[in-house]
Amino acid sequence: DAGITQSPRHKVTETGTPVTLRCHQTENHRYMYWYRQDPGHGLRLIHYSYGVKDTDKGEVSDGYSVSRSKTEDFLLTLESATSSQTSVYFCASDGGSYNEQFFGPGTRLTVL
Amino acid sequence: KNEVEQSPQNLTAQEGEFITINCSYSVGISALHWLQQHPGGGIVSLFMLSSGKKKHGRLIATINIQEKHSSLHITASHPRDSAVYICAVRPYNNNDMRFGAGTRLTVKP
Repeated sequence: DAGITQSPRHKVTETGTPVTLRCHQTENHRYMYWYRQDPGHGLRLIHYSYGVKDTDKGEVSDGYSVSRSKTEDFLLTLESATSSQTSVYFCASDGGSYNEQFFGPGTRLTVL
Repeated sequence: KNEVEQSPQNLTAQEGEFITINCSYSVGISALHWLQQHPGGGIVSLFMLSSGKKKHGRLIATINIQEKHSSLHITASHPRDSAVYICAVRPYNNNDMRFGAGTRLTVKP
């Protein structure tokens, strides 16, 4: 399996506080992704990155920002968390369109 | 309408039965992925297809590009196959992925 880790794995925070989730991969994959998974919606793309400092918005990007300063790290930031951002967040990475995508273990975020 | 539709949403089978999960999509794609997620668990890639058929153990995945349809088959199902199976497609000229809502499979002993 590709080495993808996420931190923290669980977090409880209060509405209005900033939150940063970290994704780290050791496969030198060019592409990295942040998804959220909610009951009834399946996986939805928040943001993705196609290289260092190159990012683009996904389907549900409002309220989220990302940064990628190194190939191996992709950060997801909630500037001011809201209860609607309570979800399970998955990071993934791959080498491009014709490559298998590998997922991190997920981060369960609860915003009270 | 979702770009990726899976059926059925839920499936219960007896151990040993042959299972089929279907996926239809509405966009041109470079590849289709089948993923597995156990309860409370992470997501594992089972197959990536751009044409034809692939087999891994008791799992078989097929794709018909012209009909925009893929199937995942499980032969001789086992309770440990109980999981959510997710179909995902990568559209042409695009690096994001579009996901189906998943099929929850329960295999009873």
